[in-house]
Amino acid sequence: DTGVSQDPRHKITKRGQNVTFRCDPISEHNRLYWYRQTLGQGPEFLTYFQNEAQLEKSRLLSDRFSAERPKGSFSTLEIQRTEQGDSAMYLCASSSSTGFWLETQYFGPGTRLLVL
Amino acid sequence: EDQVTQSPEALRLQEGESSSLNCSYTVSGLRGLFWYRQDPGKGPEFLFTLYSAGEEKEKERLKATLTKKESFLHITAPKPEDSATYLCAVQNLGAGSYQLTFGKGTKLSVIP
Repeated sequence: DTGVSQDPRHKITKRGQNVTFRCDPISEHNRLYWYRQTLGQGPEFLTYFQNEAQLEKSRLLSDRFSAERPKGSFSTLEIQRTEQGDSAMYLCASSSSTGFWLETQYFGPGTRLLVL
Repeated sequence: EDQVTQSPEALRLQEGESSSLNCSYTVSGLRGLFWYRQDPGKGPEFLFTLYSAGEEKEKERLKATLTKKESFLHITAPKPEDSATYLCAVQNLGAGSYQLTFGKGTKLSVIP
């Protein structure tokens, strides 16, 4: 078990460009989450997958953001036409639904995005 | 809407000086309250999950407690390596809702 991994760790882009981030969850974890964190704030929920189905999206997730989890394994988060306000740390987490109560989310190292 | 407020925003302690961090929460139904530690430039690292009022959990110099309105993270005889931001989060009992709502965190600095 190597933990949640994210790629790339850092990304610098120009305003208007598209970017894509990848998350590999802990093996056999069926739930995967994306969060965004800005400086001095706690992580904010963006979206959640159970297996390959995207079950919940935050109103923070504008139309420029899209996430996928093909085959219920890794996930990608794409931001189209980036804006300077998209600069943040993008965090991925995964968990295993072993029951109604047990739900610990384990986080990856994050991808830090800077939009110039 | 779920809300989490952490205090203080920042805390400086001398090595060995015990203290507590506070997490106040408002949630329609609590499935769980989580404590994480976050080092600069890294993702949050899981510490504890608390499910019901009166519950306590310990790990090394850390002890987390839970009431119906707040949680405390007690740090006993801290060391410089305990310096980090400590995040509190709640998960709502709502069906199909597994997102975590985080506070802004408490930045702890332990001075040798």
